[in-house]
Amino acid sequence: GAVVSQHPSRVICKSGTSVKIECRSLDFQATTMFWYRQFPKQSLMLMATSNEGSKATYEQGVEKDKFLINHASLTLSTLTVTSAHPEDSSFYICSARDRGGPEAFFGQGTRLTVV
Amino acid sequence: RKEVEQDPGPFNVPEGATVAFNCTYSNSASQSFFWYRQDCRKEPKLLMSVYSSGNEDGRFTAQLNRASQYISLLIRDSKLSDSATYLCAVIGPFSGGYNKLIFGAGTRLAVHP
Repeated sequence: GAVVSQHPSRVICKSGTSVKIECRSLDFQATTMFWYRQFPKQSLMLMATSNEGSKATYEQGVEKDKFLINHASLTLSTLTVTSAHPEDSSFYICSARDRGGPEAFFGQGTRLTVV
Repeated sequence: RKEVEQDPGPFNVPEGATVAFNCTYSNSASQSFFWYRQDCRKEPKLLMSVYSSGNEDGRFTAQLNRASQYISLLIRDSKLSDSATYLCAVIGPFSGGYNKLIFGAGTRLAVHP
């Protein structure tokens, strides 16, 4: 299957700082990128959907000024958690689709801990 | 009503058992359907896509019923290594009007010796 590389896999940051998470499609063009958040023992909650070259579309309740998504190229999308707080601690995962098929492939996830 | 609803589980079954998971989706215009497997503290891995004609991959069989807006996953001859959380996922124009990949809450499967 297609490979999606997500970095970093784990990050600890201080409250009030910003963290950038990168997601790269290594062997296909990611025309659509989905960003999810998963709290322990809960399901994947969609935060936003982005198409290459367009602004991301955020789900209800997700602050677009706090979770900045950039999808400037067909192989790279980034999520920046700005002014992070302890309640933002979670597992963040990206998922990418290309034009060729409906399947979406996941990055390895980023475990964010805000202290 | 949730966009994608799934059996809550957990399912605790002995090795060799057959187990079935079910999932319903709210939007009849949904286009693509999947089952993913997620191990503890890992990312989901695509298990199989689901088609109206049904599809089988070894011990795994997936079915789609568009009329009832329902998908299922059957695992035969369960192995210890099948223990994981199984997530159904649907691509469709849910709230907002654009195509989104939405997941069910997941069903935990524990296979014991």
